[in-house]
Amino acid sequence: SQWGEENLQALSIQEGEDVTMNCSYKTYTTVVQWYRQKSGKGPAQLILIRSNEREKRSGRLRATLDTSSQSSSLSITGTLATDTAVYFCATGNNYAQGLTFGLGTRVSVFP
Amino acid sequence: EAAVTQSPRNKVAVTGGKVTLSCNQTNNHNNMYWYRQDTGHGLRLIHYSYGAGSTEKGDIPDGYKASRPSQENFSLILELATPSQTSVYFCASGDAPLNQDTQYFGPGTRLLVL
Repeated sequence: SQWGEENLQALSIQEGEDVTMNCSYKTYTTVVQWYRQKSGKGPAQLILIRSNEREKRSGRLRATLDTSSQSSSLSITGTLATDTAVYFCATGNNYAQGLTFGLGTRVSVFP
Repeated sequence: EAAVTQSPRNKVAVTGGKVTLSCNQTNNHNNMYWYRQDTGHGLRLIHYSYGAGSTEKGDIPDGYKASRPSQENFSLILELATPSQTSVYFCASGDAPLNQDTQYFGPGTRLLVL
């Protein structure tokens, strides 16, 4: 598997709180993408961070990438109820098409 | 905004029957993908395509065929459906070479094989 020990994790938080989710990967990657999947929908990309970047921000989102530890994190500040979803990290490299997805983190944001 | 549509959205099939899942994208993307999503496994790549006429095997191609007759359309074919192929199937498209950029996903097809 591309991924380290990982089960579908679940986090429950209140609106306004910040949340951080992590993923680790085993094999070489040149890019980590974070996707969000809302119930009954397909995944939608939130942010892409390349191996030569340590941090990437987009609005309330912040992604980090540590290639030495082969890990990435996604933080959401000031969560909203509409942030309720499953969040996936996905890796890609120069040697294969398609993305390799982790199992995801289910985030539930309560008003 | 990228637009990927899938049909049907829901399908019930019998074991041993043939199932065809269709995907259409209006973004003129070269690359298209089929994934399945199962609890405990996340999204797994079945087949992908670099353009019209091309199909490549992904990580779990057994029991599936793919067809890319045009830039816009990419089909997934289950010649002899089995209950283990009950899943949610997602099509995606993208235009960057070698998996370096955003993939745009369709809404999914829920398949139940009885």
